[in-house]
Amino acid sequence: EPEVTQTPSHQVTQMGQEVILRCVPISNHLYFYWYRQILGQKVEFLVSFYNNEISEKSEIFDDQFSVERPDGSNFTLKIRSTKLEDSAMYFCASSELTGSGGNTIYFGEGSWLTVV
Amino acid sequence: QKEVEQDPGPLSVPEGAIVSLNCTYSNSAFQYFMWYRQYSRKGPELLMYTYSSGNKEDGRFTAQVDKSSKYISLFIRDSQPSDSATYLCAMSPSGAGSYQLTFGKGTKLSVIP
Repeated sequence: EPEVTQTPSHQVTQMGQEVILRCVPISNHLYFYWYRQILGQKVEFLVSFYNNEISEKSEIFDDQFSVERPDGSNFTLKIRSTKLEDSAMYFCASSELTGSGGNTIYFGEGSWLTVV
Repeated sequence: QKEVEQDPGPLSVPEGAIVSLNCTYSNSAFQYFMWYRQYSRKGPELLMYTYSSGNKEDGRFTAQVDKSSKYISLFIRDSQPSDSATYLCAMSPSGAGSYQLTFGKGTKLSVIP
């Protein structure tokens, strides 16, 4: 079964450093997402991406964050100048059609980011 | 008022029991309702989705949506130890430009052999 793959599975970084989380969405999917889950908290939407531009973003997704699809397969989330409160599991997801149509959004296994 | 409320549990049941999981929500724009299963330190896995009000059944799982009460449920029949996981409800509005899912906090379920 096709799956969303994410790297790294776990990264420890010092406060103030830049981090790039990488994702390979399912190959025929057109919509890409990043969500995050702080330990013990809800899964929260960060951003959606379609046709090489951001479709929607949450209040969490401020200037510290950026997304990019540098080639035909990868989708990245960059966090500039990380803060302690950025420590969370970051999930990449993709869907063939827009998630609002109830179409299945497939999640990756997550990248656990620890900021120290 | 939180958009989606879900009792975090934990909920512990004996094998074979019927499990009932519930969420309430406040945003009347939500039209699509989903249940995800999440194992520890893993990504959410879609179990069921329902559009608007009504019931949907898939094997041992039944999803119910009552939009008038802003209340959704997931029932698991003949629960198995492998059903032990955290169950997340999620919702989204309809219409173009609405891409994000809003999740509940999740209910941790343990099915005891």
